[in-house]
Amino acid sequence: DTEVTQTPKHLVMGMTNKKSLKCEQHMGHRAMYWYKQKAKKPPELMFVYSYEKLSINESVPSRFSPECPNSSLLNLHLHALQPEDSALYLCASSRTGLAGANTGELFFGEGSRLTVL
Amino acid sequence: QKEVEQDPGPLSVPEGAIVSLNCTYSNSAFQYFMWYRQYSRKGPELLMYTYSSGNKEDGRFTAQVDKSSKYISLFIRDSQPSDSATYLCAMSAIKAAGNKLTFGGGTRVLVKP
Repeated sequence: DTEVTQTPKHLVMGMTNKKSLKCEQHMGHRAMYWYKQKAKKPPELMFVYSYEKLSINESVPSRFSPECPNSSLLNLHLHALQPEDSALYLCASSRTGLAGANTGELFFGEGSRLTVL
Repeated sequence: QKEVEQDPGPLSVPEGAIVSLNCTYSNSAFQYFMWYRQYSRKGPELLMYTYSSGNKEDGRFTAQVDKSSKYISLFIRDSQPSDSATYLCAMSAIKAAGNKLTFGGGTRVLVKP
């Protein structure tokens, strides 16, 4: 079983709704990630948090707003989404070594399947 | 040209056969190489992780990295129907700000009983 837990597993929302996706890990990892995956495509990086600070934003539209309240939690706030934002949203975490250097492998959660009507 | 190339398949093999998967890449800065298995509508599951060149074996899985050729492989021995999934290669450069993986497009594998 994955040690990265995502909720909810499924979410349906209208274009005017505000919702949030949540992610939790208790492996002591200090880097956490949001990825977006469309059907039959590889995951696409959205955001990276390293030691609770946003370190990478892949030019994601502002209707997606990430938040890292502490080292174990990662949220993705959603507002005014478009139907084309429907996808599987994946959270992941990884160890980081000294000075924030990455140590390799990412561990993914099961994902939150989002449908925007 | 994509940074990481992977044949999309599908790759269909009979149960018990060896599954051979590979990826080529163009960025010589990549140092970490991973293989993920993804079942339909699930998150990717890390199968193998290799740093730099060489071979690594874990049960029925063997990962190989040839940095001189910019080529990585995954072999699955004694394949089972439960191995039917999409296999994604992924790689990253050392000391990225967080681990910014570059994925291949994934190869769909079907193991027939």
